Amino acid sequence: GAVVSQHPSWVICKSGTSVKIECRSLDFQATTMFWYRQFPKQSLMLMATSNEGSKATYEQGVEKDKFLINHASLTLSTLTVTSAHPEDSSFYICSAYDSLDNYGYTFGSGTRLTVV
Amino acid sequence: KQEVTQIPAALSVPEGENLVLNCSFTDSAIYNLQWFRQDPGKGLTSLLLIQSSQREQTSGRLNASLDKSSGRSTLYIAASQPGDSATYLCAPRKDTGRRALTFGSGTRLQVQP
Repeated sequence: GAVVSQHPSWVICKSGTSVKIECRSLDFQATTMFWYRQFPKQSLMLMATSNEGSKATYEQGVEKDKFLINHASLTLSTLTVTSAHPEDSSFYICSAYDSLDNYGYTFGSGTRLTVV
Repeated sequence: KQEVTQIPAALSVPEGENLVLNCSFTDSAIYNLQWFRQDPGKGLTSLLLIQSSQREQTSGRLNASLDKSSGRSTLYIAASQPGDSATYLCAPRKDTGRRALTFGSGTRLQVQP
């Protein structure tokens, strides 16, 4: 089946620094990837849709300058949290779907970000 | 805008029970529906994918049904085990376009040994 690899699985950073999270589709081409944020005991909130070779589409209320998304190839999308603050601490998950549409949507294992 | 409701929000049962998790959605014009499982601090694992033309899908002890016209899907878990403890999420997909999935708030399941 389709596999999405997400790294790192957890990261601790100081306030004011930037953190990059990578999401790779290992055995399929993902022209579109999605980035979600999840708070404890809550469901997933869509942050942005990332399309290969074009600008990401951000959901209302998500700061595009804070959450930079790059989707430079068919197998890699990155989310960079810039000038991180404690309120950015959360669980971030990426998702992609096989353009051949054989397996539905596949999710990464998530990244736990803690800003201190 | 699609809205997804999952009932119950939480469930605690002894091992061995058969379970029913419910999912309802407001826009019945869907392409397919996926059920996922999420363990604490982890990503989502796809359990079952039901196409809009299908009535049900089965995988081991899991069976998912879909009543598209009424906007409902049900996940049956037979002979529950402690390893089934997780949050279960359903996600109807609108169409073949490049849209993100819409999730309900999930059902948190705890199976007691």
